[in-house]
Amino acid sequence: EVQLLESGGGLVQPGGSLRLSCVGSGFTFSSYAMSWVRQAPGKGLEWVSAISGSASNTYYRDSVKGRFTISRDNSKNTLYLQMNSLRAEDTAVYYCAKDGGYGSDYFDYWGQGTLVTVSS
Amino acid sequence: DIVMTQSPDSLAVSLGERATINCKSSQSVLYRSNNKNYLAWFQQKPGQPPKLLIYWASTRASGVPDRFSGSGSGTDFTLTISSLQAEDVAVYYCQQYYSSPRTFGQGTKVEVK
Repeated sequence: EVQLLESGGGLVQPGGSLRLSCVGSGFTFSSYAMSWVRQAPGKGLEWVSAISGSASNTYYRDSVKGRFTISRDNSKNTLYLQMNSLRAEDTAVYYCAKDGGYGSDYFDYWGQGTLVTVSS
Repeated sequence: DIVMTQSPDSLAVSLGERATINCKSSQSVLYRSNNKNYLAWFQQKPGQPPKLLIYWASTRASGVPDRFSGSGSGTDFTLTISSLQAEDVAVYYCQQYYSSPRTFGQGTKVEVK
């Protein structure tokens, strides 16, 4: 059974930093691209960042470029999102999501999410 | 960026009746070389993460009841729930994975009338 478990969320002041983690199990972690998708309170879904299975390629939405860094440690089956210079508009539940693989870039499994609140 | 627009924003349907949600993309998500539409549908219940229902516009994900179906091509897509059940109350999102950034529709809330 595929499982994704996020951690690392919390309350942080504007301008602060936070690192999110997502541990995957039940699949060959290194074989699949992974993404972070966020959802602001009461709002819709917004893709944030993605990384290829080998970590050779990374992708970001414009609003987080230069502030967020996605990475992964395949030996630990773990995906990360380092978030710096946080803004109030980054407040959201952050989900990690697994790609379908083999050119299938839909999200077939999601974690339960971790809440990030940026506020003074 | 490809803009995904869903309609309606919400709908109320009687149990056992059909629910239809539309999704329109600002440009085609049909990849001509493989004739596949890079369009997925998700269901999100309160307090839960999204769940994949449909991919390639019309392929049901594993374990998804056959009352859920997807159709359409190019820029216009539809998610149909043929006979609404109480457990189908949720927000439904379409999403394109044709190009980066992958973008979602704003969501359609389905309730029981």
